[in-house]
Amino acid sequence: QVQLVQSGAEVREPGASVRVSCKASGNSLTTYYDHWVRQAPGQGFEWMGMINPGGSSTTYAQKFQARLTMTRDTSTDTLYLDLDNLRSDDAALYYCARASGGEYRALDYWGQGTLVTVSS
Amino acid sequence: DIVMTQSPDSLALSLGERATINCKSSQSLLHNSNNKHYLGWFQQKPGQPPKLLIYWASTRQSGVPDRFSGSGSGTDFNISIRSLQPEDVAVYYCHQYYTTPHTFGQGTKLEIK
Repeated sequence: QVQLVQSGAEVREPGASVRVSCKASGNSLTTYYDHWVRQAPGQGFEWMGMINPGGSSTTYAQKFQARLTMTRDTSTDTLYLDLDNLRSDDAALYYCARASGGEYRALDYWGQGTLVTVSS
Repeated sequence: DIVMTQSPDSLALSLGERATINCKSSQSLLHNSNNKHYLGWFQQKPGQPPKLLIYWASTRQSGVPDRFSGSGSGTDFNISIRSLQPEDVAVYYCHQYYTTPHTFGQGTKLEIK
C-alpha cells in the first residue's frame, strides 16, 4: 500500500519561495504519475501539475508555469514542489497525490497535506 | 479548461435516506480510445485529505462500501449513497482527469438532518 508523507507546515513572507516534499513508501507500482493539488482555506481543489516516474517530464497548470518547479529524487522516491514569488493567495494546504496506472488516471493515494502560510 | 459544476452545494438528509450528488462537465469526459469516462469522486472529511471513492465514473475503489455508486455518461454524472450513515458526513467532489489541467467540482456538503 502506497503511503505519501509530506513535510511540515511552512511560513513565508510575500515574494519568498517555498519547498514542500512528499516521500513515498510501500510503492510497488512501476506505472504512475505524481501530482500536486492545493486547497485554499475553506475552498475547493486546484490542480498545479504532474510529474512522471523518472522525473523527466512535467506538466504544469498555465497559471503556475512561471514560478512552479516539480522534481523528484528517484533514489528516495521523494517528490518536491518549489513555488517562487509567493503571494498572499498562495496560502493553502498543498497535497501530493499519486495516480497509479499512468498519466491520465484518478488520484488514488494522497499525502496528509502541508500548510503553507504567506504573511508579512 | 473543463469546468466542473456540482449540484446541490449542500444536502441535509436523514439517516438511512439516499443521497444523490450531480456533476456536470463543460465537455465530454468520454475517451473514445477505451470507452471510459475520466471522472472520479472524492470524499473529504474535516482535517483529512481527500479519499477516492469512484473512478472511471462508476468503478468503486477497493474498500469503499457498496452503498456508494457512481453513474453517468458524456457530461453528466452522479454519485449516490444508499442508506446514509453518520460516517458519510463529508464534502464530496467530482474530478476530471480527462485532460490537463485537471479540474474539480466546487464540492457538495452532505449533512445529516
